[in-house]
Amino acid sequence: QKEVEQDPGPLSVPEGAIVSLNCTYSNSAFQYFMWYRQYSRKGPELLMYTYSSGNKEDGRFTAQVDKSSKYISLFIRDSQPSDSATYLCAMSAPENYGQNFVFGPGTRLSVLP
Amino acid sequence: DAGVTQSPTHLIKTRGQQVTLRCSPKSGHDTVSWYQQALGQGPQFIFQYYEEEERQRGNFPDRFSGHQFPNYSSELNVNALLLGDSALYLCASSLATGTGPANTGELFFGEGSRLTVL
Repeated sequence: QKEVEQDPGPLSVPEGAIVSLNCTYSNSAFQYFMWYRQYSRKGPELLMYTYSSGNKEDGRFTAQVDKSSKYISLFIRDSQPSDSATYLCAMSAPENYGQNFVFGPGTRLSVLP
Repeated sequence: DAGVTQSPTHLIKTRGQQVTLRCSPKSGHDTVSWYQQALGQGPQFIFQYYEEEERQRGNFPDRFSGHQFPNYSSELNVNALLLGDSALYLCASSLATGTGPANTGELFFGEGSRLTVL
């Protein structure tokens, strides 16, 4: 079993849809959770960061962490064609924070106009 | 404000050769991490450099080595290249200001160096 699992997609949705992206993980020591967006042939860029459990909202993006289920989610409201990219979840344990981030394989999202 | 810059952007090598990839961190950052991203996969941590020393290393063989210079720039060297080393190599910089929720430890990634081994 991989340490972080993510449905690779591709996921295609119409413009304006609500998108739900998810990751599961096996290491209960993970406390820091991040979502990165990666456009084709570009490096990943940080979208959202969450510490421990709970929700965090930033504009059209909401990140949720459920540590009891070892499950994290990213919701995108009013999706736009410019949101078409690969979304990577990443996480880290406190002793590794800022050092070794474990990434999921990414979910490829296409938002159709 | 210059972000993370990497060179070269693309390169082709043959098995057994050696390669050096270069990275300049974002202005003000002092820590450089290297990740390998195979096609269709997420980035995998290779190692991190801080104060010119390797601070932590992922599960990569000794063929992968690195260096950090006094100006915080960094190099990744891979010896005895294998076909399986073909990947996008990402450099990420950050600021080593300790741990905890007050420090996001945000990694700023470059656009990567795409290595093809034939």
